[in-house]
Parts: sequence; structure tokens; C-alpha cells
Amino acid sequence: EPEVTQTPSHQVTQMGQEVILRCVPISNHLYFYWYRQILGQKVEFLVSFYNNEISEKSEIFDDQFSVERPDGSNFTLKIRSTKLEDSAMYFCASSERTVSNQPQHFGDGTRLSIL
Amino acid sequence: AQSVTQLDSHVSVSEGTPVLLRCNYSSSYSPSLFWYVQHPNKGLQLLLKYTSAATLVKGINGFEAEFKKSETSFHLTKPSAHMSDAAEYFCAVSDRVSSASKIIFGSGTRLSIRP
Repeated sequence: EPEVTQTPSHQVTQMGQEVILRCVPISNHLYFYWYRQILGQKVEFLVSFYNNEISEKSEIFDDQFSVERPDGSNFTLKIRSTKLEDSAMYFCASSERTVSNQPQHFGDGTRLSIL
Repeated sequence: AQSVTQLDSHVSVSEGTPVLLRCNYSSSYSPSLFWYVQHPNKGLQLLLKYTSAATLVKGINGFEAEFKKSETSFHLTKPSAHMSDAAEYFCAVSDRVSSASKIIFGSGTRLSIRP
């Protein structure tokens, strides 16, 4: 069964550094998402992306965050200047159509640790 | 605004006994409802979804959930627990109006299975 793959599985970065989290969505999917889960807390929506532009973003997704689909397969989340509070598990998801018709499929996540 | 409340942060049952994980939702629009499971260090796996068809939804691994509009509930059940069911379970809601709807997750219920 096709999967969403995320790399790396664990990223350790110094505070203030830029980090890029990478995702390869399922190949025929058109809608892409990033979520994060701070340790011990609920999964939170960050951003949705469709047709090469952001569809919706949460208040968490401030100017430090950006997303990009640089080619036909990758979907990236960039944090420009990391803070301690950015430490979390970041999940990428994709869906073939809108969530009302098709569920979102999640990757295994990237654990981001900010030192 | 949409929200999900999972009434129990931790549920413990004996192997072979029924499982009940409770979820109540709030949504301004006709909701899509989901249950996801998260095993340690893994991503979110879809168990089942409700999107306006039958109110009793059957999912994978013997789980099912019933949509009750009058009670705004979507409780997850399984007749007989197995040791492999031990995991974190998330109830989630999305509206069926937006073109690329975000998912709003509950805070999760940790299910423990006693031998």
C-alpha cells in the first residue's frame, strides 16, 4: 500500500538555525498538510497546500514557517530560525481529494529537537 | 468552530473484554469524523471514518464507531480487546465545506491492555 514517507526520522538542530523537513506524499494525491505534536499534547494543524499554494494555515504557522513543493514528488516544511518551543513531532499528510471524500494519510513523522 | 473532546485520557481493560473510547464533537457544519491510532514512534493510522453515510461505521482491526447526532458523539468500540490494541487513539473532526479541510484532533486516549 502506498505510504507517505518523511525524512529524517529525527533532526537535532541548534536554536536559531534553519531546518527543512521533507515529505514524499502518495503519488496521486493533490492535497498536502503539515501537523505537529508537542510531546504529551494533541496533534495540531499547521498548514494545508493545494495547487501550489497555501489553502489554510493556523496561527502557529507564522512568518518563520514556509512550505514548498519544489518538484513533483517532495513537499517540504522550512523553519527559518528555530526556537526551543519548535521541538515537536512533525507529521506530513496527503489526500487524493478533499477530506470529506478521502481521509488524510500520515507519515511516521520527524522528531525535531532544538538545543 | 470545530472541536473534539475525548473524555478519558487513559483507559485500561483486560484482554478479551470490550473496549469503549469516548468522543464528543462540536461542529458548525455537517462533520466528517475520524478515529486514528498511533503506536509508539509511529505515525497516525486511520481506523475508520464517518462522512454522512451509515451511522455505524466499521473500521480495521475489529473496531467500529457510531455517529449519534443527537448526542454529538462518535464513540469507538471493540467487542474484545487484544494486546496489540495498546496504543494512543485520537478522535478527529473536519467540516465538509472547505476545499482542503484541516483535521482537528482530540487530546487522545491511551489504551492499555492487561493480560
